[in-house]
Amino acid sequence: DAGVIQSPRHEVTEMGQEVTLRCKPISGHDYLFWYRQTMMRGLELLIYFNNNVPIDDSGMPEDRFSAKMPNASFSTLKIQPSEPRDSAVYFCASSSATGGFRGAFFGQGTRLTVV
Amino acid sequence: AQSVTQPDIHITVSEGASLELRCNYSYGATPYLFWYVQSPGQGLQLLLKYFSGDTLVQGIKGFEAEFKRSQSSFNLRKPSVHWSDAAEYFCAVVGNSGNTPLVFGKGTRLSVIA
Repeated sequence: DAGVIQSPRHEVTEMGQEVTLRCKPISGHDYLFWYRQTMMRGLELLIYFNNNVPIDDSGMPEDRFSAKMPNASFSTLKIQPSEPRDSAVYFCASSSATGGFRGAFFGQGTRLTVV
Repeated sequence: AQSVTQPDIHITVSEGASLELRCNYSYGATPYLFWYVQSPGQGLQLLLKYFSGDTLVQGIKGFEAEFKRSQSSFNLRKPSVHWSDAAEYFCAVVGNSGNTPLVFGKGTRLSVIA
């Protein structure tokens, strides 16, 4: 399996622009998580999905953030409009509780810089 | 609510020396526990996990961890550190149904000197 695939790896954008981060989870996994990593706050859970349905989005910082999972193999995290304080590394992870939980598997992350 | 504490922000060890990274968790029942490693510019890689059974678990890259229920701890150890082990290490906990997100500690940065 190719693992969790995120794109782009790096994104530099100007304040006010829309940013879309993409994630392809591991095939067969029914949970998908979006985390944000910063020096100050560490790894924060933003939102997670089960079977494509958002379960908990209480970690989404503001209405500027939105996430979708239109099918089992694709998810997006959108920031509109972006602000400099959104600069961080965004990770997508997937897991399966079916047949026994084995841990969450992470993508390589998207490093977002908003200037 | 679940929580994880990693008391050491940064540790420096000499190559070939032993290593122990501390992790304490808070959870009402027996949790699932994990250690992840993050090399610079990379994602998080699963080192090892504890679900049940033997409290000493072996992982990849020569790491092991011991679950101590009485101390609510899950410390990571390695008998002899290599320069390539320099990275950020994260301890994480999840409820034992596995259907909730991992909760991570703040991480411990490991530096290895010659």
